[in-house]
Amino acid sequence: DAGVIQSPRHEVTEMGQEVTLRCKPISGHDYLFWYRQTMMRGLELLIYFNNNVPIDDSGMPEDRFSAKMPNASFSTLKIQPSEPRDSAVYFCASSPRVNTGELFFGEGSRLTVL
Amino acid sequence: GENVEQHPSTLSVQEGDSAVIKCTYSDSASNYFPWYKQELGKGPQLIIDIRSNVGEKKDQRIAVTLNKTAKHFSLHITETQPEDSAVYFCAASKGGDYKLSFGAGTTVTVRA
Repeated sequence: DAGVIQSPRHEVTEMGQEVTLRCKPISGHDYLFWYRQTMMRGLELLIYFNNNVPIDDSGMPEDRFSAKMPNASFSTLKIQPSEPRDSAVYFCASSPRVNTGELFFGEGSRLTVL
Repeated sequence: GENVEQHPSTLSVQEGDSAVIKCTYSDSASNYFPWYKQELGKGPQLIIDIRSNVGEKKDQRIAVTLNKTAKHFSLHITETQPEDSAVYFCAASKGGDYKLSFGAGTTVTVRA
C-alpha cells in the first residue's frame, strides 16, 4: 500500500489567501484525522472522521478552518482566509476499522503564510 | 481533557548506551499509550504501544513500561544506534476513543 498521501508537501501563500490541503487515506481505513504540528503547541488534533462523517471537530481553531470528506478516499482541509499564525505542518492520518489504536500518518503539508 | 507531559525535551546519548524517556498523564481513564517516532521531514510512525492491562512490553531494542498507579509510562531504547536519532512522542487515549493526546516530544541524538 502507498500509505497516506498528502498534497501539497509545501505551500507558501500570502495572508488572506485560501489554502486547501488534500489527503488520501489508506484504502480500507475507516478513520481519518487532521493534525497540526507547531513548535509551540506540538501535535494538535483538529478533526477526525469515521466513515466520512465528522465525529469531533472541537480542535478546529476557528471558523476559518473547515474540513470535508466527500468519499472514503479523499479529504480536504481548507483555511480561508489564511493568517501567518496558521503556518505549521498539517498531517493527515488514517486508522483501520478494528480498534488497534494505531494511526498511520502522511508526510505532512508544510504551510507558510506570509 | 487529558494532559500528557514528557521529559526530557532533548536527550543526547553515546552510541551503544541506553535512552529513557518518561511521560505522565492526568486522566486515570486513559488506557492506551503509544509511542511514535518522527524522523526529519516525515510523519510520526508508531514504534510500540501498551495497554493498561499490561505493565511492560518489549520489542527488540525498545521497551515500554506502565505504572497505572502513578500514571506514568516510559520508553527504553537499549544499544542505541545512529538511526535511533529522531523525535519521540508519547501519547495517551481512552479505549474506543481515537483522540490521542500527545506529549511535547523528545529529540534524541545518538552520538557516534
